[in-house]
Amino acid sequence: EAQVTQNPRYLITVTGKKLTVTCSQNMNHEYMSWYRQDPGLGLRQIYYSMNVEVTDKGDVPEGYKVSRKEKRNFPLILESPSPNQTSLYFCASSLFRATNEKLFFGSGTQLSVL
Amino acid sequence: DAKTTQPNSMESNEEEPVHLPCNHSTISGTDYIHWYRQLPSQGPEYVIHGLTSNVNNRMASLAIAEDRKSSTLILHRATLRDAAVYYCILRYFGNEKLTFGTGTRLTIIP
Repeated sequence: EAQVTQNPRYLITVTGKKLTVTCSQNMNHEYMSWYRQDPGLGLRQIYYSMNVEVTDKGDVPEGYKVSRKEKRNFPLILESPSPNQTSLYFCASSLFRATNEKLFFGSGTQLSVL
Repeated sequence: DAKTTQPNSMESNEEEPVHLPCNHSTISGTDYIHWYRQLPSQGPEYVIHGLTSNVNNRMASLAIAEDRKSSTLILHRATLRDAAVYYCILRYFGNEKLTFGTGTRLTIIP
């Protein structure tokens, strides 16, 4: 089954403790992206990647890192999480950045930073 | 960057058609119009997309204005399961920064 898999689904951590949220897709997609969703603010893009070793900043990249060493995986890294990074996070992928290709989303990761 | 404008919320009765509008007055000729929806506690899911002509699929129809400055997502017979937030976005080469905005929250009244 074609899917985007995020782990974990829920995560509670403390300020400053490094964490990684994993994202994996099994569709051989080139384009992958991370979003955060906060009440009243909609979905905002954090980082995106157009292929292996090619990443770029979205609208809200501060405090986050990403890597794309393999086509299928696009982990989101919070080196020193802070409470303002408490949010619902979604990973998405697309065959390419092609304009007529649809995005597939993961089920989300609810992160709480205490 | 081309942007979209949607109403914050809409209500519709169950089993009636729903027309969700989206304005994109700065759209360019190569911009595709995409619609996604987000059910409660789930990630967004693709609904439909189009370029110039109206499009139909098993989930919905997309009506695109002749000047392409607006579009309408049509749910032909709304069910309670269609209650969701609906997002209209534009995809074009160079717009890898896909901003979804806040969308339209659709409430279905039984």
